[in-house]
Order: sequence, then structure tokens, then C-alpha cells
Amino acid sequence: DTEVTQTPKHLVMGMTNKKSLKCEQHMGHRAMYWYKQKAKKPPELMFVYSYEKLSINESVPSRFSPECPNSSLLNLHLHALQPEDSALYLCASSQVERYEQYFGPGTRLTVT
Amino acid sequence: GIQVEQSPPDLILQEGANSTLRCNFSDSVNNLQWFHQNPWGQLINLFYIPSGTKQNGRLSATTVATERYSLLYISSSQTTDSGVYFCAYSGGSNYKLTFGKGTLLTVNP
Repeated sequence: DTEVTQTPKHLVMGMTNKKSLKCEQHMGHRAMYWYKQKAKKPPELMFVYSYEKLSINESVPSRFSPECPNSSLLNLHLHALQPEDSALYLCASSQVERYEQYFGPGTRLTVT
Repeated sequence: GIQVEQSPPDLILQEGANSTLRCNFSDSVNNLQWFHQNPWGQLINLFYIPSGTKQNGRLSATTVATERYSLLYISSSQTTDSGVYFCAYSGGSNYKLTFGKGTLLTVNP
């Protein structure tokens, strides 16, 4: 099974809302990632978790709060977002010792 | 950081045609992947190819690490091949994938 799942597929939220994006993988991978992709741009890394610990934060604003509750799950908590945060949010996973990453279908987020 | 240049930026083909997409790097990279992003946004793994040549059906890829480039070949293109093709690298102990700007491929029936 080489699948990474993400929920929800689409999310519309106001600037005062709190919401969460979820990602799940059952490939036994111990590294998980969040990427952000704006229209007509390549994905950009936000966070990396390795063995359930945050190992890379690419200077992401604190209104984005990642969480890795176990080796299969990755969450991204959203609070007080801005309209410019509207984007496709992609989750990925990989083996720690091998860099090949597998991506989920993404959550398309619109902030109004 | 290492610069990634993809060419061409846009490509329009008739169904059945062949094409070659290129990815150049400003320095040696340890790990290279090719992805296809379909119109719905899903990033699909095509190849993990740090070096050498791999083939999967109508697609094949070659990476010449010493010359800092990788090529993706698409033969007998189909309309479902349309989308954006990205190459991406990661290196050292850093798991970060850095993407090129992509090639937008349109295959017309």
C-alpha cells in the first residue's frame, strides 16, 4: 500500500476560525512532511517530522501549528489565517533512510 | 542552495508524439525524483532516480549525476499525460525536497 490520504479535500475558513488538516499513511514511514503550493508554483516545504519529532521548520508563521501524534498521523492546525494562506497543502511521507517521498492528494484551502 | 532549472517551461503535443523534458542542476545532487501533478493537484511519483536509467511503460528517465542533469522521456503521449512535470532533489542529511519550476505539458487529442 503506497497511499497517503489527506482530509478534507477542500476547506473554506474565515480568518478567525480554527481548523485542522489531517494526513495519514500506512507504509511504515517514519518521516512526514507538510508542503504548501500556490497556484502555478512548485510545492514549498513547511515542516518535517522524523520519528514523530519536528526536525525542520522552514520559518513558517505560528498560525500554522504541526502535530505528529503517532508514526502514521500528521496534523496541521490552522488559526487566524490570512487570505494569502489560501493554497494547496500537501502531505508526504518517506522512509527516514531513503529520500523518496510519496504525496497525498492535498487539501485545497481557501481563507475568506 | 542548489539551483534547479527545468526545460521547456511549456510544451504542447499532439496525441501520439514523443517528448523529452530536462532538469539541470547547478551542483551535484544526491537524490532526484520526477513527479507528475495532474489537473486535480495530485503529485504522482514517476521515478526515484539518483543516477542511471529507469523505464516504466511509456515513460523512462535518465540521470547523469556527474554532468548534473536528468531527462524524462514520454513516448506515444496520451491526453492523460497532461499536467505539470516536476523534478525535485534532496541531499545530505536534509530531507527537504526542492522542486524545479516544472514543465506544463498539454497533450491534445
